[in-house]
Amino acid sequence: DIQMTQSPSSLSASVGDRVTITCRASQGISNFLSWFQQKPGKAPKSLIYGASTLHTGVPSRFSGGGSGTDFILTISSLQPEDSATYYCQQYGGYPLTFGQGTKVEIK
Amino acid sequence: VEVVESGGGLVQPGGSLRLSCAVSGFTFSDDFIDWVRQAPGKGLEWVARSRNRTKGYSTEYAASVRGRFTISRDESKNLVFLQMNALKTDDTAVYYCIRDYFKSDIYFIGNWGQGTLVTVSS
Repeated sequence: DIQMTQSPSSLSASVGDRVTITCRASQGISNFLSWFQQKPGKAPKSLIYGASTLHTGVPSRFSGGGSGTDFILTISSLQPEDSATYYCQQYGGYPLTFGQGTKVEIK
Repeated sequence: VEVVESGGGLVQPGGSLRLSCAVSGFTFSDDFIDWVRQAPGKGLEWVARSRNRTKGYSTEYAASVRGRFTISRDESKNLVFLQMNALKTDDTAVYYCIRDYFKSDIYFIGNWGQGTLVTVSS
């Protein structure tokens, strides 16, 4: 199985800050990497696919990058509504696997 | 595009439950469908996939549920099912049904339903 490791597990930042979350795959997955946002008590929301392509309606302050084994999710200017847990997920092989999540809090 | 799960509830260990997923707003037979679950306070775990009609509605399963869970479809009703047998307490989770998207020759997770809670307890 392909293991996905996110860092950090949690972070606290101020409104307007630039926030970066990293995701590492245990083997190369090309760009078959998605990012999801989940708020408490809600279903996850798809943010990014193909490592860097935003789903329709996702604000442009979100961006993704990387290929192979190392990936990054960036929020360019953190907003209060971005308080959530973020998950990466690989779809390059079965079983599909998720990172353990990164909880983003607003200071 | 709408994805709505139902069928969750309380079941005893060793019991069975069938979840349903109603999908609308897209061509049901063209798309892949996934089930993903989330245990209370835990992360996301992929459970099963049903490929589209072109792929014979073939399936894939996580090792933790293979042989106990079965994903299937009723094409006439635009429904996807997750039949769960020999349930364990570790299967307690919110189960999400997901319609996948297709881009660059590969399917990936797209639209999530709201989830349905399955509790396995005596």
